Amino acid sequence: GESVGLHLPTLSVQEGDNSIINCAYSNSASDYFIWYKQESGKGPQFIIDIRSNMDKRQGQRVTVLLNKTVKHLSLQIAATQPGDSAVYFCAENPGYSSASKIIFGSGTRLSIRP
Amino acid sequence: NAGVMQNPRHLVRRRGQEARLRCSPMKGHSHVYWYRQLPEEGLKFMVYLQKENIIDESGMPKERFSAEFPKEGPSILRIQQVVRGDSAAYFCASSPSGTSNNQPQHFGDGTRLSIL
Repeated sequence: GESVGLHLPTLSVQEGDNSIINCAYSNSASDYFIWYKQESGKGPQFIIDIRSNMDKRQGQRVTVLLNKTVKHLSLQIAATQPGDSAVYFCAENPGYSSASKIIFGSGTRLSIRP
Repeated sequence: NAGVMQNPRHLVRRRGQEARLRCSPMKGHSHVYWYRQLPEEGLKFMVYLQKENIIDESGMPKERFSAEFPKEGPSILRIQQVVRGDSAAYFCASSPSGTSNNQPQHFGDGTRLSIL
């Protein structure tokens, strides 16, 4: 379901370390999940997606893990860089195709320590 | 290869005026979605349109808000008689036509609406 937060949780990571951002979802019928990155003043930027028939998917420096048993999603960023600083949203698409609404989580702010 | 284009980027209105927000989807995309974002929150779905049709408006307020996606031209989100609570960032997204399940929605950079 949808979640609303007044304050974004923050993850602070040393530059060069790996980052892990977690997300819980509530709709067990959702079959498509997306991670978006949002920088200040910009719209959400697609990072990576995963279908419910998979439990892991890798991209360039990013990996998404899906655990349907506990309805948990995580985004791993390898060798975090200053340019990775942003708010990260997990999102679920309850429809079979992308042609339906996206339900966004409340987001996690990732900050990078030099 | 232009992405989703929204204009204006910033819009200031006084209470009671009308706000019109425009969105041109990516080339080849015929599905358009509008979302609203308050500070420090995630995006909230408002409406989903295809050319000349509203498919899902379950997130639209019952009054003052309307959306259209005409056969020609951009999609328009219209807010009549704006109130201070309408201040937010409004984002548009688009996706390809058809029922492909491998294409995520792509977002524009939004319109920041401020109500005085």
